[in-house]
Amino acid sequence: DGGITQSPKYLFRKEGQNVTLSCEQNLNHDAMYWYRQDPGQGLRLIYYSQIVNDFQKGDIAEGYSVSREKKESFPLTVTSAQKNPTAFYLCASSRGHLNTEAFFGQGTRLTVV
Amino acid sequence: QKEVEQDPGPLSVPEGAIVSLNCTYSNSAFQYFMWYRQYSRKGPELLMYTYSSGNKEDGRFTAQVDKSSKYISLFIRDSQPSDSATYLCAMRGNRDDKIIFGKGTRLHILP
Repeated sequence: DGGITQSPKYLFRKEGQNVTLSCEQNLNHDAMYWYRQDPGQGLRLIYYSQIVNDFQKGDIAEGYSVSREKKESFPLTVTSAQKNPTAFYLCASSRGHLNTEAFFGQGTRLTVV
Repeated sequence: QKEVEQDPGPLSVPEGAIVSLNCTYSNSAFQYFMWYRQYSRKGPELLMYTYSSGNKEDGRFTAQVDKSSKYISLFIRDSQPSDSATYLCAMRGNRDDKIIFGKGTRLHILP
């Protein structure tokens, strides 16, 4: 089955620690995205990548980092510089360019303890 | 002005009613318009997408785009309790892959 897999589903982090969220897709999509969702805030774009080895900052990139070494994978690192990291993180992918639909994973809920 | 505006609700309607969900936007470069349904603690699921202006129908769902008014709508006919979810509009231009989302409207269908 083709799809987007995010892991883990739940993640707990101590303050001051970096943590990496995994996102893998087997849809052969060029573009991948990371969004953060908070209650009442909708989806806010953190980073996106249109092609391997290239990515752009979204609206709230501070305190986050990404890499795109493989087409299938777009991991997100939440660093200790992110002041309020507790949130629901969603990864998505699309074929990119003129194609439009984005498909989402099931999300990772990160809690800082 | 935010790029995409969407009333957060909640919107409560009786089962069987027609539901109308809407978004407005400010960027005239947007060409692709999408609607997602999100159940609690799950990832958004793509319902429909349309390109430029016009209507698109899929079963009980109809998406409308009015680019002259910068206004898009999703209609749900014969609404069911299983339609209770948050509905997100999303849109993008045709020059890059950035997708902008509305905040979502929480919908409750009352049995």
